Amino acid sequence: DIVMTQSPESLTLALGERATINCRSSQSVLDSSHNKNYLAWYQQKPGQPPKLLIYWASTRDSGVPVRFSGSGSGTDFTLTISSLQPEDVAVYYCQQYSTTPRPFGQGTKVEIK
Amino acid sequence: EVQLVQSGAEVKKPGESLKISCKVSGYSFPNYWINWVRQMPGKGLEWMGRIDPADSYTNLSPSFQGHVTLSVDKSISTAYLQWGSLRASDTAMYYCARLGYNSGFPSGFDYWGQGTLVTVSS
Repeated sequence: DIVMTQSPESLTLALGERATINCRSSQSVLDSSHNKNYLAWYQQKPGQPPKLLIYWASTRDSGVPVRFSGSGSGTDFTLTISSLQPEDVAVYYCQQYSTTPRPFGQGTKVEIK
Repeated sequence: EVQLVQSGAEVKKPGESLKISCKVSGYSFPNYWINWVRQMPGKGLEWMGRIDPADSYTNLSPSFQGHVTLSVDKSISTAYLQWGSLRASDTAMYYCARLGYNSGFPSGFDYWGQGTLVTVSS
């Protein structure tokens, strides 16, 4: 089974700073036939269900602000928030959906300094 | 508008059975896999399993095999998560989520239910 490892566990930054969250899968999640990485990023705010931000490792879901971007391929991925805003305080999770089971990373808590 | 609406919070005793629901609307129920995700208090997200509403084909995470059952009722566009014998360690928030598609390729869990809080305590 694939294991997802996220880092760091938490991140405290000032408003406007860049946030970088890393995610590594123990096996490749790349569908080489179609050049798609089945890796998603979610944002979860307290008391709410998770919200899809990014799929195929780098495609923003509809309505997601452009300050959120995803990159990477194969086993190593990154979520970047280019300029941290107050409403970005949340826990962020990566997830692979290439094979079953479909585990999430442990989560990264992002806070404002 | 796509919606996944889950049943309300439950308080149960260890050993009791429970079935919670996820009613979908705004799209064709048989066309999208439904996934179930557990979140224990203060913890992260755990993928439990998925069910294909078209034929009820199911995959469960090894961590949950033998303890939960997934099912659907296509006539009312509803998916279910069921326990035969609850444990205190089943206390958690449970979410249903749809696996979306874009241009024919899976595109993450694009719609989520609001969650069902299950509390198991003697």
